[in-house]
Amino acid sequence: DAGVIQSPRHEVTEMGQEVTLRCKPISGHNSLFWYRQTMMRGLELLIYFNNNVPIDDSGMPEDRFSAKMPNASFSTLKIQPSEPRDSAVYFCASSNTGDQPQHFGDGTRLSIL
Amino acid sequence: GNSVTQMEGPVTLSEEAFLTINCTYTATGYPSLFWYVQYPGEGLQLLLKATKADDKGSNKGFEATYRKETTSFHLEKGSVQVSDSAVYFCALGVNTNAGKSTFGDGTTLTVKP
Repeated sequence: DAGVIQSPRHEVTEMGQEVTLRCKPISGHNSLFWYRQTMMRGLELLIYFNNNVPIDDSGMPEDRFSAKMPNASFSTLKIQPSEPRDSAVYFCASSNTGDQPQHFGDGTRLSIL
Repeated sequence: GNSVTQMEGPVTLSEEAFLTINCTYTATGYPSLFWYVQYPGEGLQLLLKATKADDKGSNKGFEATYRKETTSFHLEKGSVQVSDSAVYFCALGVNTNAGKSTFGDGTTLTVKP
């Protein structure tokens, strides 16, 4: 089985540019999670979806961040406009019910110059 | 609400030493408990899990026992290797449709030859 697939693996862009991160969850999983990881703040849950519907976006840091899940096999996290403090590794994960483990992608390492 | 507290790091051990990383939790209901491992440059991956009291999860020489009476899930390994150097996360999940897990802050383990 293919795992959670994220793209791109690395992204370097200048501040002010729009950034779009992509995620394909494991087929059959009905929950999808976006996390951000930094040295300073550790692993933070940004938003999660259940059956393609956003359930909790309280972790989204600012209105510059938005996420969509148009169907069960695809999600995007968009930052517009990007700022240097958005530099981090962004992970996508998927799972079934809450008592099952989450499966993480390899992450997108984002650098905003 | 649910919470996970794990031993602060970093932890540095010599090869073949005994490892314990403490984890305690607070949860409503009857959570499943997980340990995840994150190797450098990779996403989190499930190391082991336990779904009910007194269950022991084990994998790759690591073990953890679900202790309801002490609300703990400590990770142990009898003889660590250099290749075990990684960040370890304790987490809990409750059986809801949304599938959200609660993660600890992570403990960095470095094993020296």
